[in-house]
Amino acid sequence: DAGVIQSPRHEVTEMGQEVTLRCKPISGHDYLFWYRQTMMRGLELLIYFNNNVPIDDSGMPEDRFSAKMPNASFSTLKIQPSEPRDSAVYFCASSFDRGRGIQYFGAGTRLSVL
Amino acid sequence: GESVGLHLPTLSVQEGDNSIINCAYSNSASDYFIWYKQESGKGPQFIIDIRSNMDKRQGQRVTVLLNKTVKHLSLQIAATQPGDSAVYFCAENIRGGGADGLTFGKGTHLIIQP
Repeated sequence: DAGVIQSPRHEVTEMGQEVTLRCKPISGHDYLFWYRQTMMRGLELLIYFNNNVPIDDSGMPEDRFSAKMPNASFSTLKIQPSEPRDSAVYFCASSFDRGRGIQYFGAGTRLSVL
Repeated sequence: GESVGLHLPTLSVQEGDNSIINCAYSNSASDYFIWYKQESGKGPQFIIDIRSNMDKRQGQRVTVLLNKTVKHLSLQIAATQPGDSAVYFCAENIRGGGADGLTFGKGTHLIIQP
């Protein structure tokens, strides 16, 4: 298995633009997580899905952020409109073993909003 | 307490020496504890985990110790190698918590000196 695949690896955009980050989880995993990592706040959970259904989005910073999982092999995180403070590395992770909580992370998308 | 901005603790060890990375956790309800390794430009990578009913677990060159009395977790790496240089995170999987996501610590930067 190729692991969790995220795209793009890097995204540079201007304030106000829409940004869409993509994730393909490991086949067979039924949990998908979106995290944001910054120097100021470390690694933060934004939202997670179970069987394509959003379970907890309490970590989503504000209404500008939205996430979808239309099927078991694809998820998107969208920021509209983007702001400079959204600059961070965004990670997607997937898991099939809730008890142990072992999540497998993608390589991340480094977002820079100018 | 948490400082403004992340100033990761840094541990510098000589190649071949053993290293010990420490982590304090706060939630007694945590069921699993997990160590992740994050190399520069990559996502966190699972190293080893331990269940709350255990005190010690060993892997290849790594040992995790859990002291529930003082809510302390440690990761021991034997005979460190240059490839061990990374940021190491401990994470809790809180049983019955509202989110199935992991709660990550701030991380420790391990530097291996040649």
